Amino acid sequence: DTAVSQTPKYLVTQMGNDKSIKCEQNLGHDTMYWYKQDSKKFLKIMFSYNNKELIINETVPNRFSPKSPDKAHLNLHINSLELGDSAVYFCASSQAGYPAGPYNEQFFGPGTRLTVL
Amino acid sequence: GDSVTQMEGPVTLSEEAFLTINCTYTATGYPSLFWYVQYPGEGLQLLLKATKADDKGSNKGFEATYRKETTSFHLEKGSVQVSDSAVYFCALTATSGTYKYIFGTGTRLKVLA
Repeated sequence: DTAVSQTPKYLVTQMGNDKSIKCEQNLGHDTMYWYKQDSKKFLKIMFSYNNKELIINETVPNRFSPKSPDKAHLNLHINSLELGDSAVYFCASSQAGYPAGPYNEQFFGPGTRLTVL
Repeated sequence: GDSVTQMEGPVTLSEEAFLTINCTYTATGYPSLFWYVQYPGEGLQLLLKATKADDKGSNKGFEATYRKETTSFHLEKGSVQVSDSAVYFCALTATSGTYKYIFGTGTRLKVLA
């Protein structure tokens, strides 16, 4: 069974469109994350939810909106897509987000490669 | 603020060569330290970790020792294989009440047969 799954794996779309990426974890973890990885492999955290509560909200355009319907799901909605949004987006989860510590191994999904044309 | 600095890649080695990827950190308190590996086309996965000073994490022939005095967590492997070709990320979590992981910029390793 896949621990952290994301859909879709690839997403190609036009500038200005709105799109969503879905993430689900079956590990029973309390905390989920969204990261953006650029073409140079730099990994930047965007958001984190703990038990459906937003706990990390980095400097991200408000075109990006996370939604957590339950603690096993964290979706990412992006409005008015721009060329600069092209990247690989990773979802991750960990057992306990607070306090972050030695037992908080993060489990990553396979990534969603977003290409904005 | 907390930060992680990794050596820039790419690192290119021949099979069976010795590998070192340097990682140093800045953090308040006593962070836990991690190495994650990302194989082509995949997400990151934990390679090893250390939770306190002088701890040595090890897995799949890779090792790293938590050195508080030099604030370092260098990754080493005695004999690399082509299958080790990947991007390696050093990371820390702080103990000051935050949910965040701080990742380094990643180091790409390429091993030639």
